[in-house]
Amino acid sequence: GQQVMQIPQYQHVQEGEDFTTYCNSSTTLSNIQWYKQRPGGHPVFLIQLVKSGEVKKQKRLTFQFGEAKKNSSLHITATQTTDVGTYFCASPGGTYKYIFGTGTRLKVLA
Amino acid sequence: DTGVSQNPRHKITKRGQNVTFRCDPISEHNRLYWYRQTLGQGPEFLTYFQNEAQLEKSRLLSDRFSAERPKGSFSTLEIQRTEQGDSAMYLCASRPSGAQLLNTEAFFGQGTRLTVV
Repeated sequence: GQQVMQIPQYQHVQEGEDFTTYCNSSTTLSNIQWYKQRPGGHPVFLIQLVKSGEVKKQKRLTFQFGEAKKNSSLHITATQTTDVGTYFCASPGGTYKYIFGTGTRLKVLA
Repeated sequence: DTGVSQNPRHKITKRGQNVTFRCDPISEHNRLYWYRQTLGQGPEFLTYFQNEAQLEKSRLLSDRFSAERPKGSFSTLEIQRTEQGDSAMYLCASRPSGAQLLNTEAFFGQGTRLTVV
């Protein structure tokens, strides 16, 4: 069945350093979504990518969708303590649902 | 509050007891999902409703789990004869109706944390 692998599982960075998480699928994806979950919170939608090779930016966050639509990345430039949380990618897993990756937990050291 | 609302926020129950959780989606959203999340994992799909119809249910869901959405508005998730392995965060999410089923963001509630002792 549909599987979405996400790496790394954990990442500790010093404040001001960059951070990247990767999402990889064995099959072509129609689209991919990214969510952020703060500690003790619930997932919050960040963005959706649909087109091959698409790049979208939100302030310090840059999202990419691979040319083959089998992988995606989220890059944060100059991390801040407010970036702490777990970042999930999610891809369609059939007609009705999204399958979530295992997430990358980001810790930012001040 | 116009977000997705879940009650209760926390539930501690003894093994073998039944529990029921409620989800109130955003009012104009006809699509409702239940997910389960354990520590260090991503949300795991449980079931999906479109209006009052339950259109998909995870094969991982045992027959102790049942969900309803009787009037196409709020939904309930019941777990019968709870086991310690049922301890998790149960998340509800809703999506607005639209031309494409899977092309809109999901709005999550804050979840119900279940602890089975």
